[in-house]
Amino acid sequence: DAKTTQPPSMDCAEGRAANLPCNHSTISGNEYVYWYRQIHSQGPQYIIHGLKNNETNEMASLIITEDRKSSTLILPHATLRDTAVYYCIASNAGNNRKLIWGLGTSLAVNP
Amino acid sequence: DTGVSQDPRHKITKRGQNVTFRCDPISEHNRLYWYRQTLGQGPEFLTYFQNEAQLEKSRLLSDRFSAERPKGSFSTLEIQRTEQGDSAMYLCASSLIGSDTEAFFGQGTRLTVV
Repeated sequence: DAKTTQPPSMDCAEGRAANLPCNHSTISGNEYVYWYRQIHSQGPQYIIHGLKNNETNEMASLIITEDRKSSTLILPHATLRDTAVYYCIASNAGNNRKLIWGLGTSLAVNP
Repeated sequence: DTGVSQDPRHKITKRGQNVTFRCDPISEHNRLYWYRQTLGQGPEFLTYFQNEAQLEKSRLLSDRFSAERPKGSFSTLEIQRTEQGDSAMYLCASSLIGSDTEAFFGQGTRLTVV
């Protein structure tokens, strides 16, 4: 399972875009990149995932580099409710699909 | 679809007691996972079910821990002879079988062993 590396913390002004980077230089060809977030004392919440192509949904956009060694999660207009720990995970494509979590990035959205 | 639910949300127990947690996954989900999370850390994988079969257990799951999913629906996680080191958030997640699916998590059960 590929290891991911994220900055421990980031700040963002309310209303601005939050760009959260993730390095996964050892990712294999069949491993997806997943993003989850966890608001204090709650269970993790799924955000988005992708394999090769950039992805967008109602919550965020995921930009994956062509060599797949890094990705960026973009929250286009951050709100105070987006304050959370964001986890980037390279999920194995085996039968179990378990997630191997790192320490994530603690994002603080400031008014 | 009410999402993944876990019960109880909080449990305080004395060292040496047994505790059991329940997880009700999203109804059509075949896969069910248990994770454990301590303060300041990301979740750690404990075990995985596909329908009623327990297909993988982490080395973190000592012999004091047992998980079941008897009918392929809800699951229970039991910890026998609890220790203070067992204090953590226990998270349950479920997903559909497939190579491109996401897991949905419950709110967790926070266990405190005193």
